[in-house]
Amino acid sequence: SYVLTQAPSVSVAPGKTARITCGGNNIGFTSVHWYQQRPGQAPVLVIYYDSDRPSGIPERFSGSNSGNTATLTISRVEAGDEADYYCQVWHNSDHPKYVFGPGTKVTVL
Amino acid sequence: QVQLVESGGGLVKPGGSLRLSCAASGFTFSDYYMNWISQAPGKGLEWIAYISSGGENIFYADSVKGRFIVSRDNAKNSLYLQMNSLRVEDTALYYCARGGDYFENWGQGTLVTVSS
Repeated sequence: SYVLTQAPSVSVAPGKTARITCGGNNIGFTSVHWYQQRPGQAPVLVIYYDSDRPSGIPERFSGSNSGNTATLTISRVEAGDEADYYCQVWHNSDHPKYVFGPGTKVTVL
Repeated sequence: QVQLVESGGGLVKPGGSLRLSCAASGFTFSDYYMNWISQAPGKGLEWIAYISSGGENIFYADSVKGRFIVSRDNAKNSLYLQMNSLRVEDTALYYCARGGDYFENWGQGTLVTVSS
């Protein structure tokens, strides 16, 4: 089965840039989607198809995907960006399924 | 605006059954793929089940195949998850989510606790 890897945690100072990576075998050949989950809340889609932003998501959120790594970048980090971030792909091999990464906790210092 | 409201969660003994519902509004329900996604306490997200817009295609995670059944009633704008042979490890918050390749809208979830 397809496995996604993420660092458990990332710490960043306000105003700086946070980079959250998602690793997977040849992940660059598939589309990656990203979700933000603030404490006690449901997940929210922040990036889809590697780099597209849903309406209402700030331009500070951007994404890229190449080789074996997809990256979610949060520029000019704010206190409200503190949350868990999950990557997700659709994997269709032996049987179709959606796969989530284990999540990265972003702490704003 | 899009609203997804889950219900039906609760406390159930191992081996028991539960039926979750998700009421959809603010969009044409019959046009969209739907999913159930779980989150165990303090853990990450796990996709559980997918159903196509008309209900003709259904997929399950290996962890629930043969025990859970997803269905929908487009006339009632509702999604369902019949959960049978429940295990302690099924304890989680269960979300319904709209979308095909990705999950563009989520409900707030309903909590299922499996314990003796």
